[in-house]
Amino acid sequence: GEDVEQSLFLSVREGDSSVINCTYTDSSSTYLYWYKQEPGAGLQLLTYIFSNMDMKQDQRLTVLLNKKDKHLSLRIADTQTGDSAIYFCASGNQAGTALIFGKGTTLSVSS
Amino acid sequence: EPEVTQTPSHQVTQMGQEVILRCVPISNHLYFYWYRQILGQKVEFLVSFYNNEISEKSEIFDDQFSVERPDGSNFTLKIRSTKLEDSAMYFCASSERRGFYEQYFGPGTRLTVT
Repeated sequence: GEDVEQSLFLSVREGDSSVINCTYTDSSSTYLYWYKQEPGAGLQLLTYIFSNMDMKQDQRLTVLLNKKDKHLSLRIADTQTGDSAIYFCASGNQAGTALIFGKGTTLSVSS
Repeated sequence: EPEVTQTPSHQVTQMGQEVILRCVPISNHLYFYWYRQILGQKVEFLVSFYNNEISEKSEIFDDQFSVERPDGSNFTLKIRSTKLEDSAMYFCASSERRGFYEQYFGPGTRLTVT
C-alpha cells in the first residue's frame, strides 16, 4: 500500500539550517505536504508542493521535490527554538480523498 | 482566520461505552475527514465524507465506527463500543475541494479508554 517514511529525530543549534527528509511510494500523488505539530496541539499545514514542481520557497521554508526518487525535503533556514516540533510529511492518496502521513520527525533546536 | 474546532478536548470513557466526538469544520468546506494518532505512532486516515456520504474509509474504520453530519455545521465520529486500543488522539479535518485540497486540521480530541 501507499507509504511515507521519514527519519525520526533531528537536532540542530539555533541559527543553523534544518533539513528534514521524506520518501513516499505513491507516484500518482498530486500534492505533497508538510505539517507541523507542536506539543499538545493539532496539525498545522506548513506548506505543500505540486508534483510538477521541483522547489517551492516560502519565507524560511524551502521544499525540494525529486519526483524520480520520490524524495521530499523541508529546509528551515535560521532555525529558531520556536521551530521545535514534530514535522510530518504527507502525500495525497490516489483517489485524492485522504492524506498518508509519515511517522513524523521530531526537531529539537538548542540555543 | 477560520479554523476547525473539536469538542471535547479530552474524553475519558470505560471500555464498552459509546462515545461521540464532535467537530465543526470550516464553514465553506465540503469535504470532511477523521484521522487518529495513537501515541507515538503515525497519523492514520479513518474516513472521508462528502455530500452526506462516506467517500472512502480505511481498514480501521470498521462497524464500530460511524460518522454523521447531523446539521449544517457539525461533523461527528461515533465509536459504538470502545476498546482499549481505541485510545488515541482523534483529529477532524476539512477541505474545500477534493483532488487539489488543503486539509485543515482541528486541535484533536484525546480519547482515553480505561
